[in-house]
Amino acid sequence: GAGVSQSPSNKVTEKGKDVELRCDPISGHTALYWYRQSLGQGLEFLIYFQGNSAPDKSGLPSDRFSAERTGGSVSTLTIQRTQQEDSAVYLCASSLALGTSGDYNEQFFGPGTRLTVL
Amino acid sequence: GQNIDQPTEMTATEGAIVQINCTYQTSGFNGLFWYQQHAGEAPTFLSYNVLDGLEEKGRFSSFLSRSKGYSYLLLKELQMKDSASYLCAVPTSGGSYIPTFGRGTSLIVHP
Repeated sequence: GAGVSQSPSNKVTEKGKDVELRCDPISGHTALYWYRQSLGQGLEFLIYFQGNSAPDKSGLPSDRFSAERTGGSVSTLTIQRTQQEDSAVYLCASSLALGTSGDYNEQFFGPGTRLTVL
Repeated sequence: GQNIDQPTEMTATEGAIVQINCTYQTSGFNGLFWYQQHAGEAPTFLSYNVLDGLEEKGRFSSFLSRSKGYSYLLLKELQMKDSASYLCAVPTSGGSYIPTFGRGTSLIVHP
């Protein structure tokens, strides 16, 4: 089946504009994650969705960032009033439900959206 | 919280063996992942360790010592295509198990 897909692949925007990034997870994966990766840096966790539970938003860097996941499938990450420091690659990943200690499910990553804020 | 440390960059020769180390500090431990990321591409899963010892998978092996907060990824018979960034990730503990990633080790394999 298809892997995780993201759109757009590239987005160039002007400072102050809002942007929406989309993620289509693998069918049947109940867990969905957003990360961002700046040049030469590791993956920075942003937000996590698990089924119908309240999302874990602990990684969102400011209130300009928000995300939703409709129908337990597609997710949209919205960045309002973009700033130059928001420029990064935004990666989405999905997995089967995270289990208890000793159990794991590998994350499958999408190709990412490269965001450039001018 | 947790901290993850990896060397920033390593170089090795085609056909050789290289060991990439990862040390971590975490308030709870729920396993450790290694991912590979080629330039401009998404990370892909390599291995998961939750018990001490060595897990072998083809040319790649991963080792874990929970008491030392230490893991390594061992790559044998290096190929040019192994040039990539290798990311160590440790899931958080508590109510969720979201992997926190290190900055990654950029491996350059030369002829």
